[in-house]
Amino acid sequence: QSALTQPPSASGSPGQSVTISCTATSSDISVYDYVSWFQQHPGKVPKLIIYDATKRPSGVPDRFSASKSDTAASLTISGLQAEDEADYYCSAFESRSVIFGGGTQLTVL
Amino acid sequence: QLQLQESGPGLVKPSETLSLTCAVSGGSISGTPYFWGWVRQPPGKGLEWIASIRQDGHTYYNWSLKSRVTIFIDTSKNQFHLILSSVTPADTALYHCVTEANYGSRGFEADIWGQGTFVAVSS
Repeated sequence: QSALTQPPSASGSPGQSVTISCTATSSDISVYDYVSWFQQHPGKVPKLIIYDATKRPSGVPDRFSASKSDTAASLTISGLQAEDEADYYCSAFESRSVIFGGGTQLTVL
Repeated sequence: QLQLQESGPGLVKPSETLSLTCAVSGGSISGTPYFWGWVRQPPGKGLEWIASIRQDGHTYYNWSLKSRVTIFIDTSKNQFHLILSSVTPADTALYHCVTEANYGSRGFEADIWGQGTFVAVSS
């Protein structure tokens, strides 16, 4: 079964942009087509912020955007705000299973 | 608006079987959404998907847990359940039930989560 790899941490100053990558160990590039991203604040329930690799659910600010390539999925947060400090997880459905990345802890400096 | 509420024993002894229930309110478990599932998070660690079930009863399991896990729906009670056998301290985690209410596609679009029920495995 494939695994998703994320950097354990990322940081940026308010107003800046930060990008978090999500890379699959599988060679199947279609795994990136339906990547989802979740935001989790400490002690809170995860929140879906991106699905189908690039789509934002209703109510998610357009500061959150995402992209995919043949080799990775990426989440970009533009105009960083203090409230963006959280853990971010990518996920994908592959081989009849859901897999999560290990999570990236985003610090807003 | 769909809401999910987990319930469980809180504490389970090693080698015993864990049973969790997710009560669905604000809608019928027989209607949309199409998928219902469970995700857990050990203290201080990341998210781990456990299992999902489609309305038609088709099940999907985490390969690493498959031999110990069962997920099923009880339409009469508007609930779905998770059974995890032969638990060990490594199964200690916050267990969330989830569903894809609005964005169901071909990935994992869990947009509704229960608050979670914490399960400790200890003798």
